[in-house]
Amino acid sequence: DADVTQTPRNRITKTGKRIMLECSQTKGHDRMYWYRQDPGLGLRLIYYSFDVKDINKGEISDGYSVSRQAQAKFSLSLESAIPNQTALYFCATSAGTGEAGELFFGEGSRLTVL
Amino acid sequence: SQQGEEDPQALSIQEGENATMNCSYKTSINNLQWYRQNSGRGLVHLILIRSNEREKHSGRLRVTLDTSKKSSSLLITASRAADTASYFCATDGYSSYKLIFGSGTRLLVRP
Repeated sequence: DADVTQTPRNRITKTGKRIMLECSQTKGHDRMYWYRQDPGLGLRLIYYSFDVKDINKGEISDGYSVSRQAQAKFSLSLESAIPNQTALYFCATSAGTGEAGELFFGEGSRLTVL
Repeated sequence: SQQGEEDPQALSIQEGENATMNCSYKTSINNLQWYRQNSGRGLVHLILIRSNEREKHSGRLRVTLDTSKKSSSLLITASRAADTASYFCATDGYSSYKLIFGSGTRLLVRP
């Protein structure tokens, strides 16, 4: 089984719908991240969490919210999806150290908003 | 805005040749990392170089870091068709513990 699992892997939805992307990890890492990837723009950080009680906004948090339900689970929600949120979303984890360490990525959730 | 920017955006070489990709960044860093992404898949960590290091090797990969120029390069020697992928640099910014990624270099290795 993958160390970082994202569900769903693909989702097509309509404008205005609420969408939740889920991420679970078996690596035992404290730090979890949500990134968005658009063609030609690389990855942009949406939210990150360094432990269950710690949630931080990234570069592009508007229109998104997150929930850290447990050390192993970090969910990303789009309360009212819009077409420009069509993208590939990645969850990642890292061990808690004194620096930004190696990230371990899930396989991604491809979201299409019509 | 992107912390790291890769150059070139795309690179096409013949199998067996070396591939060099460059990354420039804006602020001081603790470390810089390189990742690889096969088409549409999750990113995979390749190598981490700290601000007090100038060069690091891992197999066919060689990474250099010049903090005075705020730049890094990734060299893949004796490339293979299987090296075809996008390569991203990521930096942490000096006082943060999160990684910010560049826009990547798309490498095509022709058989």
